[in-house]
Amino acid sequence: GESVGLHLPTLSVQEGDNSIINCAYSNSASDYFIWYKQESGKGPQFIIDIRSNMDKRQGQRVTVLLNKTVKHLSLQIAATQPGDSAVYFCAENQAGTALIFGKGTTLSVSS
Amino acid sequence: EAQVTQNPRYLITVTGKKLTVTCSQNMNHEYMSWYRQDPGLGLRQIYYSMNVEVTDKGDVPEGYKVSRKEKRNFPLILESPSPNQTSLYFCASSLAANYGYTFGSGTRLTVV
Repeated sequence: GESVGLHLPTLSVQEGDNSIINCAYSNSASDYFIWYKQESGKGPQFIIDIRSNMDKRQGQRVTVLLNKTVKHLSLQIAATQPGDSAVYFCAENQAGTALIFGKGTTLSVSS
Repeated sequence: EAQVTQNPRYLITVTGKKLTVTCSQNMNHEYMSWYRQDPGLGLRQIYYSMNVEVTDKGDVPEGYKVSRKEKRNFPLILESPSPNQTSLYFCASSLAANYGYTFGSGTRLTVV
């Protein structure tokens, strides 16, 4: 079936490095994508979103890139900090009824 | 503060004993949804509601019921809980299905 997935289940970086978390989606009709951060014991927290009419969107220290040709989504975190350690999920909107979530990438930041 | 509030945060119950997990949002959102989160399976949608009195099944609705009598509340009902419903549950709300969701803090349910 159609699903959203992530390339790597874990990513380890040093404090101050830039992090890139990748996600592949399979439904070319999806038109809305979101990245969420989930810290231990908490609910998912919205980071940034992007619609399919855009290729790139920037927030504070984060950038989301969307490549519709290869159905790929990425989240870039600049100057990664220990507080960025969490599980990151991408999600896509299909048919305007529900977000479908990928299984998550665990980001570990060491100082 | 804009938020989604779930109660209880933790619940241990026995098989077959009906329970309700409450969810309330103060953002006047029309769209609300319930997800369960299990290791290795990620977040899976149970039920969602596009507006008052409008609900529909998600990917894993078996064993659950919901109601949406008022815009702010979207309770999740387990009529006869079973151990395979042991999970972490999240309620979420949004302006619409294709906008970012705000999630509650979660309810960790254990059915023994």
